Amino acid sequence: DAKTTQPPSMDCAEGRAANLPCNHSTISGNEYVYWYRQIHSQGPQYIIHGLKNNETNEMASLIITEDRKSSTLILPHATLRDTAVYYCIVRVFPEDMRFGAGTRLTVKP
Amino acid sequence: SQTIHQWPATLVQPVGSPLSLECTVEGTSNPNLYWYRQAAGRGLQLLFYSVGIGQISSEVPQNLSASRPQDRQFILSSKKLLLSDSGFYLCAWSVSGIQETQYFGPGTRLLVL
Repeated sequence: DAKTTQPPSMDCAEGRAANLPCNHSTISGNEYVYWYRQIHSQGPQYIIHGLKNNETNEMASLIITEDRKSSTLILPHATLRDTAVYYCIVRVFPEDMRFGAGTRLTVKP
Repeated sequence: SQTIHQWPATLVQPVGSPLSLECTVEGTSNPNLYWYRQAAGRGLQLLFYSVGIGQISSEVPQNLSASRPQDRQFILSSKKLLLSDSGFYLCAWSVSGIQETQYFGPGTRLLVL
């Protein structure tokens, strides 16, 4: 069972920021938050991960609340190619990488 | 940089036929390797993982098996396919560590008829 809760779907206008929420209220102190996305018929793509500090890379930013019970993935300028299912995963090695249902993000022109 | 390859990309097989899916990783040594299956519209299910040559751990008992004949090669096999084996098969690699991140291949779509 996934340890996270995500909305099943979201829409975003092209060029605007996409903010994808994730609840992980039972997260333990040594568990990391990972984000992946899966574009239709492709393998999941790693986006970003973090423990407690906010993280940013060339793809996205990850904002983790101070109590670590939720996080938000931010795509700063969404494009049509960002349309995908986004997965939020909480785990610590060597636990399984457990993918839930994710959030289907649709970027609209 | 590291790359992961899977083939074939798609496969249609009759029930009862054998299966062999191959995964290779380039640009890294002694990776952890994983086989996942994704049924239509569902999340990923871990099938097998390997931390080294000849070392295979099975997560789900079934008619599939895995082998790792070389450091960067992972093979998923079956002697007799079932209809329920249809799905999207994904191979992934990682390097051991607390922040172990898994990187996925392009996948093989298998349809058993």
